[in-house]
Amino acid sequence: QSALTQPASVSGSPGQSITISCTGTSSDVGGYKYVSWYQQHPGKAPKLMISEVSNRPSGVSNRFSGSKSGNTASLTISGLQAEDEADYYCSSYTSSSTLVFGGGTKLTVL
Amino acid sequence: EVQLVESGGGLVQPGGSLRLSCAASGFTFRSYWMHWVRQAPGKGLVWVSRINSDGSSTGYADSVKGRFTISRDNAKNTLYLQMNSLRAEDTAVYYCARDQTVNYGMDVWGQGTTVTVSS
Repeated sequence: QSALTQPASVSGSPGQSITISCTGTSSDVGGYKYVSWYQQHPGKAPKLMISEVSNRPSGVSNRFSGSKSGNTASLTISGLQAEDEADYYCSSYTSSSTLVFGGGTKLTVL
Repeated sequence: EVQLVESGGGLVQPGGSLRLSCAASGFTFRSYWMHWVRQAPGKGLVWVSRINSDGSSTGYADSVKGRFTISRDNAKNTLYLQMNSLRAEDTAVYYCARDQTVNYGMDVWGQGTTVTVSS
């Protein structure tokens, strides 16, 4: 199972909005609603930000939102803040009953 | 407090074995699916394995199938990962994580335990 495709890096200024894409196939992202997004700060464990494409767990800021179109899922962060600077990973359930992560995207807040 | 604490990592020679443990507290462990995820130094997250709530169903990444075994003891609130025939490429921080609601979203993570495979 190949990793989902994410941009290696994205950047934005405080207050701006950014979107991170996550591209897979019809056997993973495009075929199921089980797409999640994680935030990971250096040296820390990942944190669930979005599950089931667009569901935000309790306690996660509403500045974070998720969507999906075809084989590509997206994470949008609005009103960018300094503490949003981190690595972001998408994941998807697959037709092989496994889970696959994206390669990760480093978000820099300028 | 909902918590997962991994243990059992360390240095092991290629071809060797290691068993990781993940102690759960603060929630009804027997009700949740659980996962193992690893992260090699400076690399991204990689899913390793998952187990359903009563331990009757498991799944593995192709890279570990036949070498790793996931299991759980619901009486002890503990998740395990038995790792055999270890290779250098298995070197990573291993995290255990709770599945949110059988939706493959992992909402609780441990702090990770480091496994180094080297001679």
